[in-house]
Amino acid sequence: DGGITQSPKYLFRKEGQNVTLSCEQNLNHDAMYWYRQDPGQGLRLIYYSQIVNDFQKGDIAEGYSVSREKKESFPLTVTSAQKNPTAFYLCASRSTGAPSGEQYFGPGTRLTVT
Amino acid sequence: AQSVTQLGSHVSVSEGALVLLRCNYSSSVPPYLFWYVQYPNQGLQLLLKYTSAATLVKGINGFEAEFKKSETSFHLTKPSAHMSDAAEYFCAVIFSGTYKYIFGTGTRLKVLA
Repeated sequence: DGGITQSPKYLFRKEGQNVTLSCEQNLNHDAMYWYRQDPGQGLRLIYYSQIVNDFQKGDIAEGYSVSREKKESFPLTVTSAQKNPTAFYLCASRSTGAPSGEQYFGPGTRLTVT
Repeated sequence: AQSVTQLGSHVSVSEGALVLLRCNYSSSVPPYLFWYVQYPNQGLQLLLKYTSAATLVKGINGFEAEFKKSETSFHLTKPSAHMSDAAEYFCAVIFSGTYKYIFGTGTRLKVLA
């Protein structure tokens, strides 16, 4: 079955540690996205990538980094510089062939930093 | 600036009653519009989308939405609510030629028995 996988589902880290969230898709989509979700704030865009080896900052990129070395993979690193990293993180992808195309979302990773 | 507004962060309806979730966008150019549903601790699932074909769009689980350009609205409706409809609903837009989606802040739907 085609889809997006995110691992792990739950992640716990100590303050000051970097942590990497995994996102893999087998939909053959060119574009991939990372969002952060906090209660009452909807989805906020962290980074997005339209093609391999290229990515752009979203609205809240500070304290995060990404890479896009393969079409299928778009890992997100939450660095120790992110002041409030505890949140639900969603990865999405989209085909760039259709301008009206919808995003497909992964199941999310809930990160808790203490 | 382009934006999406969902009126009502929480909406409660009785089982069997009409569901109406509101979404308005701010732009002089009509975007492509989407409604997504999210169940607790899960990702978002597409309910339906407007892509400039028919203004009345039918989606999954009995939901539909009507695009009204004059009102810059894309409200989501369902004639009869089921307990399984309890979830959070997000309206989103994207403009032609761009890659960035703009999401509303979500509406949490509660269905009362």
